[in-house]
Amino acid sequence: EIVLTQSPATLSLSPGERATLSCRASQSVRSLIAWYQQKPGQAPRLLIYDVSSRATGIPARFSGSESGTDFTLTISSLEPEDFAVYYCQQRSEWPLTFGGGTKVEMK
Amino acid sequence: EVQLLESGGGLVQPGGSLRLSCAVSGLIFSNCAMYWVRQAPGKGLEWVSGISTGGGSTYYADSVKGRFTISRDNSKNTVYLQMNSLRAGDTAVYYCANRNVNGNGWFDYWGQGNLVTISS
Repeated sequence: EIVLTQSPATLSLSPGERATLSCRASQSVRSLIAWYQQKPGQAPRLLIYDVSSRATGIPARFSGSESGTDFTLTISSLEPEDFAVYYCQQRSEWPLTFGGGTKVEMK
Repeated sequence: EVQLLESGGGLVQPGGSLRLSCAVSGLIFSNCAMYWVRQAPGKGLEWVSGISTGGGSTYYADSVKGRFTISRDNSKNTVYLQMNSLRAGDTAVYYCANRNVNGNGWFDYWGQGNLVTISS
């Protein structure tokens, strides 16, 4: 099973600041990584897929990148609505797996 | 408008059974592989099961294999999750999600979530 390790668990930032979230895979995922945003009481929402492609309607302040088995979600300038939990997910092989999540909270 | 409407959750005793349904509208259902993902209270996301567009291939997490069965009825645009031998550890909000095989290949749309509570 591919294990995805997200860090940090919690990120405390202010609106307007840059957020950098990390997701490390235990083995190659062939760039088949996506990022989801989840707000309290809501279903997850797809943000980024295939490492760096933005899903429909996702603002340009969200971007993704990779370096080997390390993946990064960057929010260039936090808006109030961006404070949420973010999960990475791989679909390179079964079972599909999610990372443990990073909570971006307001400082 | 795309909608994934889940139903069938609730409270059941350990060892009991429950069937979840997810009715899909606004999408070409036959192009959608369908999945169930759960989230225990205060925890992260866990993939549970998936089914191919035609239903011929099914996939399960080890934690539910042999107890849960996923199926679909393309004439009703609905996917099901039959859950048997339920345990306290199965307590979670269950989400259905679609993957358009002709789209980006990821979980584009999700249901609102359906709470399943296993308790005596």
